[in-house]
Amino acid sequence: GQQLNQSPQSMFIQEGEDVSMNCTSSSIFNTWLWYKQDPGEGPVLLIALYKAGELTSNGRLTAQFGITRKDSFLNISASIPSDVGIYFCAVQNYGGSQGNLIFGKGTKLSVKP
Amino acid sequence: NAGVTQTPKFQVLKTGQSMTLQCAQDMNHNSMYWYRQDPGMGLRLIYYSASEGTTDKGEVPNGYNVSRLNKREFSLRLESAAPSQTSVYFCSLSAGGLRGYTFGSGTRLTVV
Repeated sequence: GQQLNQSPQSMFIQEGEDVSMNCTSSSIFNTWLWYKQDPGEGPVLLIALYKAGELTSNGRLTAQFGITRKDSFLNISASIPSDVGIYFCAVQNYGGSQGNLIFGKGTKLSVKP
Repeated sequence: NAGVTQTPKFQVLKTGQSMTLQCAQDMNHNSMYWYRQDPGMGLRLIYYSASEGTTDKGEVPNGYNVSRLNKREFSLRLESAAPSQTSVYFCSLSAGGLRGYTFGSGTRLTVV
């Protein structure tokens, strides 16, 4: 099936540092999403990207939709302890009538206090 | 995760036992999905339902069955649990449009 390659798999950062993660695909997708999952909870949408080249911010988070429509990145500025969690990129599966999301494998973020 | 209720939150089964995971919504959405999440694997689609009375297989359907008897509820059944089905299971809803995906808080299943 279709796959999203997300990197890095995990990262440890010092509080206050900036974080960057990215997601690539061999296929073109018309939308990219970034989710965060806190321990013991389901994923929650952070940012949705609808247009190639689009740069969107949500507080300290900034995400970009690659111009080729095959990639996206997420930046977190000035990280804080509550940024800990797993971050997933996702795209909508247009195959058939499923309408489900295809997820990357996640980037686990741990912050050193 | 308001609007999506998953039960139970935790479950331990012995190999070969059966059980049903329940998902109920109060958001009146048509599309409902079951995903499983394994360490380092992201979320993978098991089954989905585009509307009441319709279901279809996703990426990893083997060993599971689903039922969508009404718009509100979408259940996932394991007829004969196997250790490979140890996972965290998430139910999700969609009203259409990318912002319309809502996830439940998950069911953590361990099969021993």
